[in-house]
Amino acid sequence: AQSVTQLDSQVPVFEEAPVELRCNYSSSVSVYLFWYVQYPNQGLQLLLKYLSGSTLVKGINGFEAEFNKSQTSFHLRKPSVHISDTAEYFCAVSDPGFKTIFGAGTRLFVKA
Amino acid sequence: KAGVTQTPRYLIKTRGQQVTLSCSPISGHRSVSWYQQTPGQGLQFLFEYFSETQRNKGNFPGRFSGRQFSNSRSEMNVSTLELGDSALYLCASSFRTDFTDTQYFGPGTRLTVL
Repeated sequence: AQSVTQLDSQVPVFEEAPVELRCNYSSSVSVYLFWYVQYPNQGLQLLLKYLSGSTLVKGINGFEAEFNKSQTSFHLRKPSVHISDTAEYFCAVSDPGFKTIFGAGTRLFVKA
Repeated sequence: KAGVTQTPRYLIKTRGQQVTLSCSPISGHRSVSWYQQTPGQGLQFLFEYFSETQRNKGNFPGRFSGRQFSNSRSEMNVSTLELGDSALYLCASSFRTDFTDTQYFGPGTRLTVL
């Protein structure tokens, strides 16, 4: 069975500082990995995805993530955050059977 | 291209009632998935429909059901509502034409059960 663990429930950070949101997964089959962002009172928006190929994936809003197969991780990074990045971020894993499992979420709080 | 739409956006019901939520996917998308989001349990998969057939199902009681129409629009029904059914219900659509499963989410329906 697949599982996704987001290691931090909350991450406070100052504006213009770098941030890393951690995600580890477990699966016995090849998977596809995703990061989504959810702003208050909205649905989820896709930030980026890893399907195959280069392990460094660039997404929208300046975010990027690195797939590390040996460590089964897919951490999300941004070199300089803005107030507007305050939101909840979800890591997700999907297998060829089309089931998607989401992590519990990490609340990013950017302080001025 | 219009995004995923969900109606209604907000709903208040009382225990024992039933409710129907609607989801219209992005044009051309044939797969619709439903999720329940609560502060305690996070995002939990309810079920997925593809070409009017339920293809995947999560671990929810039979009170939760759904269907998909020929135009890919989907409805979710919850009967005999319980307080614990209060949640944000999210719908997501995708092409589902290959092994990837990039889903596009609607804004959700917030259900409050009193």
